[in-house]
Amino acid sequence: QVQLHESGPGLVKPSETLSLFCAVSGDFIYDKYWSWIRQPPGKRLEWIGHIYSSGTTAYNPSLKSRVTISVDTSKNQFSLKVTSLTAADTAVYYCAREADEYFDYWGQGTLVTVSS
Amino acid sequence: DVQMTQSPSTLSASVGDRVTITCRASQNIVGWLAWYQQKPGKAPKVLIYKASTLETGVPSRFSGSGSGTEFTLTISSLQPDDFATYYCQQYYSFRTFGQGTKVEI
Repeated sequence: QVQLHESGPGLVKPSETLSLFCAVSGDFIYDKYWSWIRQPPGKRLEWIGHIYSSGTTAYNPSLKSRVTISVDTSKNQFSLKVTSLTAADTAVYYCAREADEYFDYWGQGTLVTVSS
Repeated sequence: DVQMTQSPSTLSASVGDRVTITCRASQNIVGWLAWYQQKPGKAPKVLIYKASTLETGVPSRFSGSGSGTEFTLTISSLQPDDFATYYCQQYYSFRTFGQGTKVEI
C-alpha cells in the first residue's frame, strides 16, 4: 500500500525558510510525478509544484520565485523549500503522488504556522 | 492561469437525496478534471478523474460528467458518510482547485 509521510517544523518565523520532507513507502519514486499542495485554514487547496523522478520540476507561477522541490531517489523521498515566509504561508502542507496528473495518494498533512 | 469556480459553496441535504455540484473552468480544459472528497482534518480523497472515470473503490453512487468548461459531480443517493467538502481540480494547465462545496445536513 502506498503511503506518504510529511515531516518538518510546525512553527517557523517570518522571513525564514521552510523545509519539508515527504517519505514514500509502498512505491518507488521512479517514473512518477510527486507534488506538494497546501491548504490555508478555511481556504481552498493550492498546488505548489511537482517533481519527476529525473529531477524535472514545474511550479505554480504565483509561488515560483520562492519555491524549490528536490528529489532523493536513494532515500525514496522528495522535499520542499519555501523562502521568505509570511503569515500567508501558514497552511497544512500535503505531499501527494500524481497518477496521470490527478492526485491518487496523499500524505496526512502537516500544519505549518508562520509566526514570530 | 485556469480559474475554477464551484457552486453552490454550501449545500444542505438529507440522507437519500440526489445531490449535484457544478464546477466551471475559466477556459476550455477538455476533460482534464478530477473530483475529491475531504473530511475535517483529513487529506482529500479522489473520487473521479478525467471528468467521468470512477476511481477504484469509490461507490457507484458518485458520478461525474461534463467537458470543456462545465462539469458536474452527482451523488445519486446521499449517505451519512458523504457529508464532507468536495473539490474539483483541473489538470489541463498546471493544477488548480475550486473553492469547495460543503455538503451538510
